[in-house]
Order: sequence, then structure tokens, then C-alpha cells
Amino acid sequence: EVQLVESGGGLAQPGRSLRLSCAVSGFTFDNHAMHWVRQAPGRGLEWVSGISWNSGSIGYADSVKGRFAISRDNAKNSLYLQMKSLRPEDTAFYYCAKDTGSGGGGGPAALGNWHFDLWGRGTLVTVSS
Amino acid sequence: QSVLTQSPSASGTPGQRVTISCFGSRSNIGSYTVNWYQQLPGTAPKLLIYNNNQRPSGVPDRFSGSKSGTSASLAISGLQSEDEADYYCASWDDSLKGVFGGGTKLTVL
Repeated sequence: EVQLVESGGGLAQPGRSLRLSCAVSGFTFDNHAMHWVRQAPGRGLEWVSGISWNSGSIGYADSVKGRFAISRDNAKNSLYLQMKSLRPEDTAFYYCAKDTGSGGGGGPAALGNWHFDLWGRGTLVTVSS
Repeated sequence: QSVLTQSPSASGTPGQRVTISCFGSRSNIGSYTVNWYQQLPGTAPKLLIYNNNQRPSGVPDRFSGSKSGTSASLAISGLQSEDEADYYCASWDDSLKGVFGGGTKLTVL
């Protein structure tokens, strides 16, 4: 079955860390760029980070740059998001999403085609004291 | 505050044609293609339109997209009750980041 399954969410205090994982199955993982997109409860979508097929190109939203780190392990068919120095405004559902492209080119193509044709169900991160 | 601007809400009656607009700037929509996502209540988003006007397989031809200058539109014809959802436009930005619209909540009256 083609699917993405996120895990690792939960409650964290401000300033602490969490690591999200996304387990992939049903398609050739290392043919595709991957992304994390978040959605605060009742709010809109926000792109968080993206990574090319070979981890050669990585991008972050300004709101998380310097605090979050995206990575992938193609041997394990897994995508990760290491989140540090968490803030209350990081509270959201975090979705991993599959790009239709592989990325690795120049400009915006470095992170894929920017079309997300498969999404996980999301994992909720709550940052609160 | 989202980089791309959408009206918060839209509505229509069954069978009607509805249009949802998305406004950006030269650094995003004006330079790159636009994608649209549909998010049904309580579910993950789904790719509805990519590259301005292309439909992934399985998306009904009632859904169509267009782009002109720094704005884009999603049109839904023959509106059905199951189309009630949130719709998001998305594009790339020269600042090397992905950008979404704030979303439009479509109500089928």
C-alpha cells in the first residue's frame, strides 16, 4: 500500500526538542523529494521544509530556519524532522508529503516539482508549559 | 499572514459554478506555477491541480485551474455537496521557499 505514516508528535515544553519521523511504503522513496508541511489547529497550511532525493538540496521556511533540521534515510525509507528550541507557535499538525519530482536541480527545482501528490495523516505537536 | 491571498470563504448551490481566486506577486505566482489542494474536513490535503491547470488522475474534470500574471483561479463546475472543503493555492517564491494561500472554505448551500 502506498502510504506515509508520521510519528513522534506529542507535548513538549517551550525550548525543548522533538524528532518527527515519516515512514514510507509503496513507492520508490529515493526517486522523490520530500517535504514537511504544518497546520496549526483551525489554521491554514504552512510549508516547513523540503529535501531532495539525495539530501543534496534542503530548504526551510524562515519561521523554522536554524531551529529545525530535515533529513532522510533512503535505506530505511524514512524522512525526519528534528525540531529544537520549540515555541508555542510551532503547535500544529505536521504532515509529511511526497513530491512528484526528485529535486536536485537548480532554483526551485532543487526541492522537486513542488507538487505534493501523497500526504500522511499528520502528527500533532503541542508546545506548551 | 499568508504570502498568497485568498478569500476566506466562498459558497454556491448544487450544480452551480464557483471560482476561488489566489493573489500573489511577481516573486511567486508571477514567476512560478500554481498548485491547488483540497482538504476535506478532518483529512490531509489532496493535490487537485498542478502546473496551473493540470489535473492528477482521478480528479474530475469539473475542477479546472488557470493563471494570469500574479493571480490564479480554481473553478468548480457542477458543484456537489462533497466539494465542501477548504481549498489552498500554493506556489514557489524567489526567496527559496514554498508558499501557500490562507485557504478558502467552500460551503455548498
